[in-house]
Amino acid sequence: EDQVTQSPEALRLQEGESSSLNCSYTVSGLRGLFWYRQDPGKGPEFLFTLYSAGEEKEKERLKATLTKKESFLHITAPKPEDSATYLCAVQQTGSARQLTFGSGTQLTVLP
Amino acid sequence: DVKVTQSSRYLVKRTGEKVFLECVQDMDHENMFWYRQDPGLGLRLIYFSYDVKMKEKGDIPEGYSVSREKKERFSLILESASTNQTSMYLCASSFARVTGYTFGSGTRLTVV
Repeated sequence: EDQVTQSPEALRLQEGESSSLNCSYTVSGLRGLFWYRQDPGKGPEFLFTLYSAGEEKEKERLKATLTKKESFLHITAPKPEDSATYLCAVQQTGSARQLTFGSGTQLTVLP
Repeated sequence: DVKVTQSSRYLVKRTGEKVFLECVQDMDHENMFWYRQDPGLGLRLIYFSYDVKMKEKGDIPEGYSVSREKKERFSLILESASTNQTSMYLCASSFARVTGYTFGSGTRLTVV
């Protein structure tokens, strides 16, 4: 069974304190790994797609990396507006069109 | 940008009522999905559709049905609402097989 596990469940950082969120996955074959940001009471917002081990994507203070078993979302010098829940999801190879999501990491950045 | 619109942000329904949640996307996406999101459980797939009149069960289809009569519209139906269906419901769409989703803003349903 496909599994996606995110850690930690919650993370509190001071403004400017860099850190990383982890997403480990077990799938029979990975087509893509996706990162989303979700603000309270809203739908998830797409951040990145990673397709193969070694790939990296960046957007402002966020950088996503991928290995064969896990992905990291690195947050450099975070600001309070980066506070949100970050979701990881995987899509397996074959005919599957759906994504399997992790439970998310709730990030709070304190001023 | 693709827009996915869910008809209601908040709904309060009584136990036993039939409930319709509507979702419309405006970019001709072939795939549409319904998830529910609960604290500690993450997003769980209820149903999805990859073409008009086609539907596939997700991980938790019990108590739900869906309808896709037009490509842009995907409806989730709770045949007889129960309190354990109180949740945030998220609709999403995607193009082809290798892209991620675009989500709607969600409908927070409370069944009393």
